[in-house]
Parts: sequence; C-alpha cells; structure tokens
Amino acid sequence: DTGVSQNPRHKITKRGQNVTFRCDPISEHNRLYWYRQTLGQGPEFLTYFQNEAQLEKSRLLSDRFSAERPKGSFSTLEIQRTEQGDSAMYLCASSLEGGLAHEQFFGPGTRLTVL
Amino acid sequence: GDSVTQMEGPVTLSEEAFLTINCTYTATGYPSLFWYVQYPGEGLQLLLKATKADDKGSNKGFEATYRKETTSFHLEKGSVQVSDSAVYFCALGTNAGKSTFGDGTTLTVKP
Repeated sequence: DTGVSQNPRHKITKRGQNVTFRCDPISEHNRLYWYRQTLGQGPEFLTYFQNEAQLEKSRLLSDRFSAERPKGSFSTLEIQRTEQGDSAMYLCASSLEGGLAHEQFFGPGTRLTVL
Repeated sequence: GDSVTQMEGPVTLSEEAFLTINCTYTATGYPSLFWYVQYPGEGLQLLLKATKADDKGSNKGFEATYRKETTSFHLEKGSVQVSDSAVYFCALGTNAGKSTFGDGTTLTVKP
C-alpha cells in the first residue's frame, strides 16, 4: 500500500504527558499537512511542510505543539504537557506542490484520548 | 480568511431518493473545490473535485458543479443507496497549500 500512513492509530495518555505521532506521506509528495478533527467538525489546519521547510502554522498550534519533517520525508507531531482539550483525531495528508487541483491524500489518522 | 459553509445535518433519506447537500464558500483567489467522504470507522476519501468555474466533478453517481457566481459547490446524487451512508465534507484548496473544510453533513440512507 503506497498511501499515507500514520502511527500509532490510537493513543491514550494521561494529562501532562508528552505524545508523539508519526506520518509517512506518499513517497513522491513534497507537501505534508497536519490537521486536527474533533467530533462533529471538519478537519482544522494545523501546519504544513514543503520538503523539510515548515511554511505555515495555524494559530491553533500552541507552543505545546511542535512538528518536524527533518529529511523532507516522514513527519512527527509532538504535543507536550497534554491537556484534555487535546483529545481529537490528528490527520496527516500529503500532496504534490502544484499538483492537480491541490489535491491532498489523507492518512487514517491518530486518535488521541487524554485522560 | 477562507471559509466553507455546509448544509447542516443530519440528513436522512430513503433508498433511491434524490440527494442535495449544499455548500458555499468564501475565498481569496481561485480555489479548487472538493467533496470528501468519511465512511464509518474510515479515513477521509476524496469523492470528487473541480478546479475552475463551471467545471463539474463526478464520481460514483455523485456530481457537483463549481459555481463562481453563487460561490457554491452543491453535491447531488439522483438515487442514493444504503451504502452511501457517511459523513460528507466540502472543502476548498488554494495555492497557499492548506485546505479549508466545512463541518460535515451526516447522511443516513434507510432501506
């Protein structure tokens, strides 16, 4: 399967702990995006990379959140000192710069539950 | 900023009924428009797309036409099936990179 993959699929943690998620995009895609989706809402943009450069960060992304894409391939999203409000589905997507219709391909998501 | 407004749900239809889910948008520039579908327990899948005004996207019997004059991209299907039950998201994408999504419309089709 050459689609976008995310790990882990589920994460349960206690408030105050740090968590890290990984995303592996489609191999030839140079853009990678992170979104957050809560129940009953559409995905909300968090940040995106073009190759290894982080080009945009949403105001939703507090100082506790950090994302990296060190070699322009996979990406990690870390949340420090998790809060119950961080509970959500974290989605990763990838695309080609200038690709047809800016189409993004989504991974299955990582569901985070903060107790 | 960019925004997408979708018809509120949930929507419940009988099998073979006609479906319309309304979507309007606000964007700077010339966005591409998308409908994504999320089946129970699965990730987002692209259903159809349109890249410029008057384009019609279609897939699996679903259609949507990019209407610049009304800033709309309504999703339609002539005869829904039980298997179409899912959450449908309207979205726009621009050269700036990110996509902006509506809040989703839950469709339930009853036999």
